[in-house]
Amino acid sequence: QSVLTQPPSVSGAPGQRVTISCTGSSSNIGAGYNVHWYQQLPGTAPKLLIYGNSIRPSGVPDRFSGSKSGPSASLAITGLQAEDEADYYCQSYDSSLSGHVVFGGGTKLTVL
Amino acid sequence: QITLKESGPTLVKPTQTLTLTCTFSGFSLSTSGVGVGWIRQPPGKALEWLALIYWNDDNRYSPSLNSRLTITKATSKNQVILTMTNMDPVDTATYYCAHAVAAAGVYFDYWGQGTLVTVSS
Repeated sequence: QSVLTQPPSVSGAPGQRVTISCTGSSSNIGAGYNVHWYQQLPGTAPKLLIYGNSIRPSGVPDRFSGSKSGPSASLAITGLQAEDEADYYCQSYDSSLSGHVVFGGGTKLTVL
Repeated sequence: QITLKESGPTLVKPTQTLTLTCTFSGFSLSTSGVGVGWIRQPPGKALEWLALIYWNDDNRYSPSLNSRLTITKATSKNQVILTMTNMDPVDTATYYCAHAVAAAGVYFDYWGQGTLVTVSS
């Protein structure tokens, strides 16, 4: 049971827009901690996709965007492409129990 | 250019202690705001954060695994070591180390390739 809740799967056709939600609580996202997103292509290590809620690292296409509101955050992908098919994880920090890192359970994106 | 690489045994027996080493380059673990974290991923399952060590020797551990984990750093060798005691088959996973940035929490911007550790007798 992950501290951050994500939908297990989402899907969309090429060119469409999809969103992935990440719901936390008052001790993590709701407490003001930043949310970060990672993309994991099959058989590879995770890659930082969004940090600080909405900042894209250099090289990440602007088709990917992040937002945060209250205890939740979202990752949006526009102009869906076949190579976007991957697992996506949100991550934040939790102030309970001396403070620790928390991940979401991951969302499998299928491009139809 | 920041790189990290995990090393250690690929097979451990139940009850044994696992020791993994993360060897990195391109940054110093004495730089303010920098850390190294360990994250694991059982086959077909989600990422699970394990431990984090900061530039100032502050350590953080997963609450559910706290009693089994120890993270240390050898700054001059550019290495971070993770030990996990009393290994069990459920600990079979790919173990990643990652460069951490402390900023309103923490995030991991560079990851190692991961090392698969199997726990079996």
